[in-house]
Amino acid sequence: AQSVTQLGSHVSVSEGALVLLRCNYSSSVPPYLFWYVQYPNQGLQLLLKYTTGATLVKGINGFEAEFKKSETSFHLTKPSAHMSDAAEYFCAVSANSGGYQKVTFGIGTKLQVIP
Amino acid sequence: DGGITQSPKYLFRKEGQNVTLSCEQNLNHDAMYWYRQDPGQGLRLIYYSQIVNDFQKGDIAEGYSVSREKKESFPLTVTSAQKNPTAFYLCASSPGQGLTEAFFGQGTRLTVV
Repeated sequence: AQSVTQLGSHVSVSEGALVLLRCNYSSSVPPYLFWYVQYPNQGLQLLLKYTTGATLVKGINGFEAEFKKSETSFHLTKPSAHMSDAAEYFCAVSANSGGYQKVTFGIGTKLQVIP
Repeated sequence: DGGITQSPKYLFRKEGQNVTLSCEQNLNHDAMYWYRQDPGQGLRLIYYSQIVNDFQKGDIAEGYSVSREKKESFPLTVTSAQKNPTAFYLCASSPGQGLTEAFFGQGTRLTVV
């Protein structure tokens, strides 16, 4: 079984401030981890992913995330928030389950950027 | 350009009517998925298909049906048995081999009145 917990359904930051969106996961097998971004009334777009190797992964739009196995976490960060970062962010875990790639999404975190 | 196309973007139907949502991909992906999105609940898997002519129920399949007659197409029918069909529906695909990211369509917002 696998699950994803995103702490904080709504996060507000000031423009220029650090963005930190939290994600914890559970998985019985080594997982692949993803962060997606969704703008209103649109589909999800991949921000970044962790598969194997380097635990700090960089994505698009200046975002990065660090895989910490001991903490079962994959938090998303960006040093300086921009107004265009306002969106909903989803953490996801993917693992093999009976030969099928099972993807489980968190409930999402809405990021508000205050000017 | 390769991608996933969902149509229509907005759909209105009367209660009790079946409605079919279209999903087409030209990425040559084997696996396709349908998710339902409701505020505060994230994405919930309705059905998935790993190969043509084969599909499996996801976590919330009741009241929905699918077909996979072609690799490129994975239509979703919302039947009158679905108690609360108003939602945002997302179709996705992935290569199906190994663990990879999913590619999403732009979604269809279904409103049942």
